[in-house]
Amino acid sequence: SSELTQDPAVSVALGQTVRITCQGDSLGRYYASWYQQKPGQAPILVIYGKNNRPSGIPDRFSGSSSGNTASLTITGAQAEDEADYYCNSRDSSGNHYVFGTGTRVTVL
Amino acid sequence: QITLKESGPTLMKPTQTLTLTCTFSGFSLRTSGVGVGWIRQPPGRALEWLALIYWDDDKRYSPSLKSRFTITKDTSKNQVVLTMTNMDPVDTATYYCARYFHSSGSRRFDYWGQGTLVTVSS
Repeated sequence: SSELTQDPAVSVALGQTVRITCQGDSLGRYYASWYQQKPGQAPILVIYGKNNRPSGIPDRFSGSSSGNTASLTITGAQAEDEADYYCNSRDSSGNHYVFGTGTRVTVL
Repeated sequence: QITLKESGPTLMKPTQTLTLTCTFSGFSLRTSGVGVGWIRQPPGRALEWLALIYWDDDKRYSPSLKSRFTITKDTSKNQVVLTMTNMDPVDTATYYCARYFHSSGSRRFDYWGQGTLVTVSS
C-alpha cells in the first residue's frame, strides 16, 4: 500500500484556486515533488524542493509543506491544468521512493 | 536537451523475464547527484516507483518487488536496463524511465521518457 495519500478528485472553477494535499509520515523529513499527467502523456515535474518550479512551469503552481502534509496550489486555475497530479517523496526508511495515490483535478 | 526513451517487448507471456532499456541523452550518469529511475503505471491506475540507479552505482528497489528486479547501467552507452522476472498479468502497465536529480537538498524526477506499454497475457 502507498505511504503517500491524496484525495482522489477535486474540482475548481476556472480562474479560482485549488489546493491538492499529500499526506505521509515521511513528509515531516523530506520534501515532496509534484507531477502533472494528462491523458495519454508522460508525467511532467511541476514543483520540487521547498517550492521550486522547473523552467516553463507557470508561476500559478506553488508548493508548501506543514508537518506530514505537502500541498500543491494552483492559483487561478486554467482549463489546461485539468489533469492527474501525483506527489512523490522518499519513504519512511529514506531508502526508497513512493508516489502518492493521485488526485484528478477537474476545471469547471 | 535531455531526452529518455524506453524500449523493449510490448507483449509478454506469464513467467517470462522482461528486459527494458532506457536510452538517454543530454546528461551523464557519471555526474554526481544524477540517477535513472523506473516507474510504471497500470492502465487507469496510479504511478508506482520501481527502481533507481545512482551515478555511483548504488541501487534501490521497491521493497514489495525487490526480489524480481535487477537494474544496471552502461555509462558508455548512456543506457540503463531493468530486468523483471516472473512476469504476471498484473504487471501489465506503461513503464517509464526518468532522470533523477539531487541538488540543494531536493530530489526529483525531472525528465521522463514517453513510456512503453507492456502487456502480459497468455
